[in-house]
Amino acid sequence: GQQLNQSPQSMFIQEGEDVSMNCTSSSIFNTWLWYKQEPGEGPVLLIALYKAGELTSNGRLTAQFGITRKDSFLNISASIPSDVGIYFCAGPFPNAGGTSYGKLTFGQGTILTVHP
Amino acid sequence: DTGVSQDPRHKITKRGQNVTFRCDPISEHNRLYWYRQTLGQGPEFLTYFQNEAQLEKSRLLSDRFSAERPKGSFSTLEIQRTEQGDSAMYLCASTPRGGPGANVLTFGAGSRLTVL
Repeated sequence: GQQLNQSPQSMFIQEGEDVSMNCTSSSIFNTWLWYKQEPGEGPVLLIALYKAGELTSNGRLTAQFGITRKDSFLNISASIPSDVGIYFCAGPFPNAGGTSYGKLTFGQGTILTVHP
Repeated sequence: DTGVSQDPRHKITKRGQNVTFRCDPISEHNRLYWYRQTLGQGPEFLTYFQNEAQLEKSRLLSDRFSAERPKGSFSTLEIQRTEQGDSAMYLCASTPRGGPGANVLTFGAGSRLTVL
C-alpha cells in the first residue's frame, strides 16, 4: 500500500495565488521526486531532490527535501491556469538497494484547480 | 527520440478476454518498468526489466498478469481472462541503469483499460 501521505488532497485557488503542498512518510527516503499528471497522460517529472535540506527550483516551482528525510514540500508561485493537474510525490521503496532503482512508491496526489 | 511510447492508448474489452499492451522505452534506457494506476490513486509498481531480464515480478497482481521484454528493447504486458477490477491505467516508464537519474522515471502516456 501507499507509504506517502500528501496534503492537501485538493486545492481550489485563484490565478496568481501561491500554492503549497507537502508529502510525509513514516520511513526515511534518500530521494524525493515531484511529478505532475494531466488528464489522460502519464506523470511528468517536475523536480528531483537527492539530499536532505536541498532546495531546488524549476521556474515557478520550488521543492525542498525535508531535513528529517521523512518529508518534502512543493511550492508553486503565481499560479496560472495551466498549473491545473494532479501533483504526486514519490520516492524509492524504503530499504531498497542499488538494484532496486526505479521502484517508486507514490503518494495519492494533490488535485490542483486554478480559477482564472 | 520522442520518449516512452505506449500502445494502444485505450482498450475496451469484455470480461474474460485477453489484452496485451506494448511499451517502447527511450532507446538509451536499459531499465523498463510497468506501473498500474487506478482512479484517485498514485501509480503502483508492478514489475521491471533490466535489458531482457525481468528482475522482479512479485508485485504483479496475479498469475493472470505477465510481462516480457524479449530483446531488451520493447516490452509487452499481457492480462489474461480480464476482470472488471483490472480496469485501470497501465503506465510504462524507463530509466538509465545507474547514476543520479536511476530513480527518475520517464513515463509514457499510458494505456487505459476498461473491462466491461
